[in-house]
Amino acid sequence: GEDVEQSLFLSVREGDSSVINCTYTDSSSTYLYWYKQEPGAGLQLLTYIFSNMDMKQDQRLTVLLNKKDKHLSLRIADTQTGDSAIYFCAERDQTGANNLFFGTGTRLTVIP
Amino acid sequence: DAGITQSPRHKVTETGTPVTLRCHQTENHRYMYWYRQDPGHGLRLIHYSYGVKDTDKGEVSDGYSVSRSKTEDFLLTLESATSSQTSVYFCAIMGGGTDTQYFGPGTRLTVL
Repeated sequence: GEDVEQSLFLSVREGDSSVINCTYTDSSSTYLYWYKQEPGAGLQLLTYIFSNMDMKQDQRLTVLLNKKDKHLSLRIADTQTGDSAIYFCAERDQTGANNLFFGTGTRLTVIP
Repeated sequence: DAGITQSPRHKVTETGTPVTLRCHQTENHRYMYWYRQDPGHGLRLIHYSYGVKDTDKGEVSDGYSVSRSKTEDFLLTLESATSSQTSVYFCAIMGGGTDTQYFGPGTRLTVL
């Protein structure tokens, strides 16, 4: 199966920008996703990017995609304490089932 | 909220007992998925369904079976639970214009 990698931990100060990185292996992936998981909760879809794009912006979130290096990043501007959570990147496979392959998740801690 | 509920939300059981987890959706989505979440692994696909009575295996299907007799319900069964099946189980549906997966709140299962 696909191999999606993320660093495990990131700490930032409130008001700073956070950048969460992800590398993936399937160069034919059409969609890549970012999900957020707060403690004790399910996964909440944050944003996604289609493979023919290299950037997508949605309010405080910016997604950058470098297809050549198979690198995806999520930038959160003006990080708030409410952004503390685990962030997962995922790539969608190309079979009919559209299964997702997840990274291990990055735990973001925002320091007041 | 994609109209997905999971039951039970928490369960403690003993090794060797059968366990069934239920996922219920209210929006008639064709595709449904079961994942397990473990530290250091992110989410891994157990089984998925692409219609009533149509199911297929995912990455970590050993020890699990599924059934889908109605569009709205997708059941995950552990025929004889083992301690290695202690995990948080998430159900997902695929929907929306971009066939994005949306997740339920999860079931925390502990096998003693």
